[in-house]
Amino acid sequence: SAVISQKPSRDICQRGTSLTIQCQVDSQVTMMFWYRQQPGQSLTLIATANQGSEATYESGFVIDKFPISRPNLTFSTLTVSNMSPEDSSIYLCSVVMDISQETQYFGPGTRLLVL
Amino acid sequence: GNSVTQMEGPVTLSEEAFLTINCTYTATGYPSLFWYVQYPGEGLQLLLKATKADDKGSNKGFEATYRKETTSFHLEKGSVQVSDSAVYFCALRAWGSTASKLTFGTGTRLQVTL
Repeated sequence: SAVISQKPSRDICQRGTSLTIQCQVDSQVTMMFWYRQQPGQSLTLIATANQGSEATYESGFVIDKFPISRPNLTFSTLTVSNMSPEDSSIYLCSVVMDISQETQYFGPGTRLLVL
Repeated sequence: GNSVTQMEGPVTLSEEAFLTINCTYTATGYPSLFWYVQYPGEGLQLLLKATKADDKGSNKGFEATYRKETTSFHLEKGSVQVSDSAVYFCALRAWGSTASKLTFGTGTRLQVTL
């Protein structure tokens, strides 16, 4: 299994500002993802973080709003840009260690409140 | 496309009661199926999984059997505890044109009381 840590664990931000969330894994992983979980709802995939290249975004999510980096096989960042109250959510990093294993692990999440 | 349908919650049970949370799916190909649990204030934890038809996943007293004929993966536990109170998510992964996407159901909140 993978041990995933996220920073910050929670934050309260002002409208119009940006927040960068870090995801660190204790071992090299094949795939890294970012999800959003809005209050009381299920998880929505934002994007797949690709090492050394641009992330692959899902419908409804754009790079200008959610820029993502993945410089190596154990680390990724998600930035929530120009925030509004509608961005208040839990943001979760998730990984697949090896394609053959299929199991996907999740970080503890970053709880974001935008005022 | 792929989709997961879960029974709506919240589900409220007394301690030691039998639990069933229904989950059905629609997928192309042969998906792998998962149950994740989210305890209050925490992230998602993998509870159990099954990767082919008739497989039974089990963990912490929870079980779910991959039923291809009924496209179902219902979660069961014989005797729930207060500590099982959480939100349970059914999910599938169907490798193929959509690559490695994990598709989640809407989640079912379980509340266990003394």
